[in-house]
Amino acid sequence: GENVEQHPSTLSVQEGDSAVIKCTYSDSASNYFPWYKQELGKGPQLIIDIRSNVGEKKDQRIAVTLNKTAKHFSLHITETQPEDSAVYFCALFGNEKLTFGTGTRLTIIP
Amino acid sequence: DGGITQSPKYLFRKEGQNVTLSCEQNLNHDAMYWYRQDPGQGLRLIYYSQIVNDFQKGDIAEGYSVSREKKESFPLTVTSAQKNPTAFYLCASSRTGTPGELFFGEGSRLTVL
Repeated sequence: GENVEQHPSTLSVQEGDSAVIKCTYSDSASNYFPWYKQELGKGPQLIIDIRSNVGEKKDQRIAVTLNKTAKHFSLHITETQPEDSAVYFCALFGNEKLTFGTGTRLTIIP
Repeated sequence: DGGITQSPKYLFRKEGQNVTLSCEQNLNHDAMYWYRQDPGQGLRLIYYSQIVNDFQKGDIAEGYSVSREKKESFPLTVTSAQKNPTAFYLCASSRTGTPGELFFGEGSRLTVL
């Protein structure tokens, strides 16, 4: 199946600073790249997604960039706030299903 | 409110027992999925179904079984053949066709004693 690597596994940033999480993949046929946020004890929720015909997408403090040539995509969170603390998963769509990265635990330090 | 309901939230079982986790959705989605979540391993796909009365194995189907007799329901049975069943199980649903958002339930935590 598809393989997606996510880094870093943990990330701590000062409140107000930016956070960046990166994922790399191997299947060039993948065409949909979502990011999910999971709060403690809950199921993941979609926060932003990007399709292969777009290089960047932004939604308020959150942005995703996609480099299809290099096969990587990244999540950028600016002006981080305490409520951004959670586990974030990248994913990609291929062969009729989503494959998830291993997750990044983001901690915002007040 | 539309959404996905998983039950029970917490479940304990003894080794050698089968257990069934419930997943119901009222989003009118055709596709449903079961994922297993372990610390440091992300979400791994167990089974998925794109239409009633049809389902496919995911990446870690051994020791699990599912059924899809109704559009709204996709129960997962963790059998005694599953060697390491203690985990957090997540059910999700989505529309079929163009890939898009998965809607997740709140999960079921299974502990085998």
